[in-house]
Amino acid sequence: QVQLQESGPGLVKPSETLSLTCAVSGYSISSGYYWGWIRQPPGKGLEWIGSIYHSGSTYYNPSLKSRVTISVDTSKNQFSLKLSSVTAADTAVYYCARAYGSGRRFDYWGQGTLVTVSS
Amino acid sequence: AIQLTQSPSSLSASVGDRVTITCRASQGISSALAWYQQKPGKAPKLLIYDASSLESGVPSRFSGSGSGTDFTLTISSLQPEDFATYYCQQFNSYPTFGQGTKLEIK
Repeated sequence: QVQLQESGPGLVKPSETLSLTCAVSGYSISSGYYWGWIRQPPGKGLEWIGSIYHSGSTYYNPSLKSRVTISVDTSKNQFSLKLSSVTAADTAVYYCARAYGSGRRFDYWGQGTLVTVSS
Repeated sequence: AIQLTQSPSSLSASVGDRVTITCRASQGISSALAWYQQKPGKAPKLLIYDASSLESGVPSRFSGSGSGTDFTLTISSLQPEDFATYYCQQFNSYPTFGQGTKLEIK
């Protein structure tokens, strides 16, 4: 069974960089699929942030592209998200997920982690 | 960006009811549409992909249809565990989600 688990600081100061990691178990990232990040502000809808292939190819939401970096570490079977220059608008539950294509659908999800941007 | 508009935004229904949720895309997306169910405090769960394909393990009372710009999710006979928020998601150039439909108990 594929399982994903997000980890990282739950509180980030404005203008700093948000960093999260998603550990994957039950499936080797090197075997294929894309791996993505999606976020959900409290009480609001879902927003795709970006996706990465095991080779390192990345695809980002155009609205966030200038601030986002997604990387993969196949040796640790995990992938990571960095979002720079955060503001209160970046406060959200951040999910990692497995994707068909770079985002045709997301079939396995982590439980999500709340990141609050506040001084 | 392709926008998805779901209707209704909220819906009250009873156990055993047949329910239909609509998702309209701002431009044609062929059949590149998925549906998710989300319960409070939980991650979304994939129900339907490629507009009408049922994800493994999802009860057959869930079905999807449509292509191009107009899509529907139908629950044939509501069960207590189906009360949740439902999202559609498209994949054309990049993924976007509808605003959600909250299904509540009448």
